[in-house]
Amino acid sequence: GDSVTQMEGPVTLSEEAFLTINCTYTATGYPSLFWYVQYPGEGLQLLLKATKADDKGSNKGFEATYRKETTSFHLEKGSVQVSDSAVYFCALSDQGGSYIPTFGRGTSLIVHP
Amino acid sequence: DAGVIQSPRHEVTEMGQEVTLRCKPISGHNSLFWYRQTMMRGLELLIYFNNNVPIDDSGMPEDRFSAKMPNASFSTLKIQPSEPRDSAVYFCASSSISGGAGNEQFFGPGTRLTVL
Repeated sequence: GDSVTQMEGPVTLSEEAFLTINCTYTATGYPSLFWYVQYPGEGLQLLLKATKADDKGSNKGFEATYRKETTSFHLEKGSVQVSDSAVYFCALSDQGGSYIPTFGRGTSLIVHP
Repeated sequence: DAGVIQSPRHEVTEMGQEVTLRCKPISGHNSLFWYRQTMMRGLELLIYFNNNVPIDDSGMPEDRFSAKMPNASFSTLKIQPSEPRDSAVYFCASSSISGGAGNEQFFGPGTRLTVL
């Protein structure tokens, strides 16, 4: 079945540091890939997405590129801020399946001033 | 749009009591999902509705859990009787599958349930 694996956290960084959160997936079809963010006390919200190979999703300074050859969708940001502290979830939705999304376990990011 | 609305935001109850969580999806969305989030198990999909019909309830942990969607604008998740291990944050999410797998899910703010 479909699965998403993301790096365990917490990831702790100083403000303005470079961020990478790794995400790899397995899917039987041609999935769309997503990054969601969950701020404390809130529900998940979409951060960015990519629907086909080599697409790059971007939002709020975050980027991720759909790499079919390595089945990866790593999240990056060049300079993190304290306000980026949150839990980040990688997810996929398989177009060959039922469209029910599969989520990773989430990676907690803590940014210190 | 007000987004996905959940109520109550917090619920504290005693073991054995019935708990009902409520969700109003975004107008026009035809898919609704109930999730449970805990530190130990992460985010778990409990049940999924499409056009008000339950499609996949394989994630419902036990018969104590039940969910209904009587119309396109309302869904409930009921736990009867509740147990301390049901303590978690329960999220409702909605989406429109008309665009295929590329459509995002919109999550509500969650209900934090504590069973004493």
